[in-house]
Amino acid sequence: AQTVTQSQPEMSVQEAETVTLSCTYDTSESDYYLFWYKQPPSRQMILVIRQEAYKQQNATENRFSVNFQKAAKSFSLKISDSQLGDAAMYFCAYRSASTSGSRLTFGEGTQLTVNP
Amino acid sequence: NAGVMQNPRHLVRRRGQEARLRCSPMKGHSHVYWYRQLPEEGLKFMVYLQKENIIDESGMPKERFSAEFPKEGPSILRIQQVVRGDSAAYFCASSTYRGRDEQFFGPGTRLTVL
Repeated sequence: AQTVTQSQPEMSVQEAETVTLSCTYDTSESDYYLFWYKQPPSRQMILVIRQEAYKQQNATENRFSVNFQKAAKSFSLKISDSQLGDAAMYFCAYRSASTSGSRLTFGEGTQLTVNP
Repeated sequence: NAGVMQNPRHLVRRRGQEARLRCSPMKGHSHVYWYRQLPEEGLKFMVYLQKENIIDESGMPKERFSAEFPKEGPSILRIQQVVRGDSAAYFCASSTYRGRDEQFFGPGTRLTVL
């Protein structure tokens, strides 16, 4: 079974600074997807960024980028120029690319605080 | 294009009552997933359904919980004889017919069992 681990229960960053959230995962599969979701106080799950395992290039979405290290099974999220609106719980998630593997497996989350 | 809709947003039940949670997927989506988020925890997969079929229910508790996704109407997650440990946020997500595409999440239903 796949597992996802987020070792940082809480992180804080100053507004306009950069912060990196860590995520590691365990799988025996070679083809899969990785995601970062944001959950603000409203509890709505918002997809921040996704990475296909077969792609070597790290995904980027505006101020959000990932450092995907397949061999190390590491998938960290970097938030640049942090804004107050980035404050939220962030979840790393894994999904198999097999035809039957549609479920998402989530980590326990990292609570990000942005200080003005 | 409306997103995934869940209702009710908040549901309060007393121990022993039944809870029914509804999920209407995005237009054009025929795959539905239910996840549960206990307080201070991440989301845990419960069940994956396509229209009229349960594809994967390996995350569903064996007793008291059931799910359906009929040909017409929303998907229903049903919890019978609720207990305090069922208090959680229940999220529904949907995806296209291919089932491997991005899952779009609803706003969740927060169930409180008194």
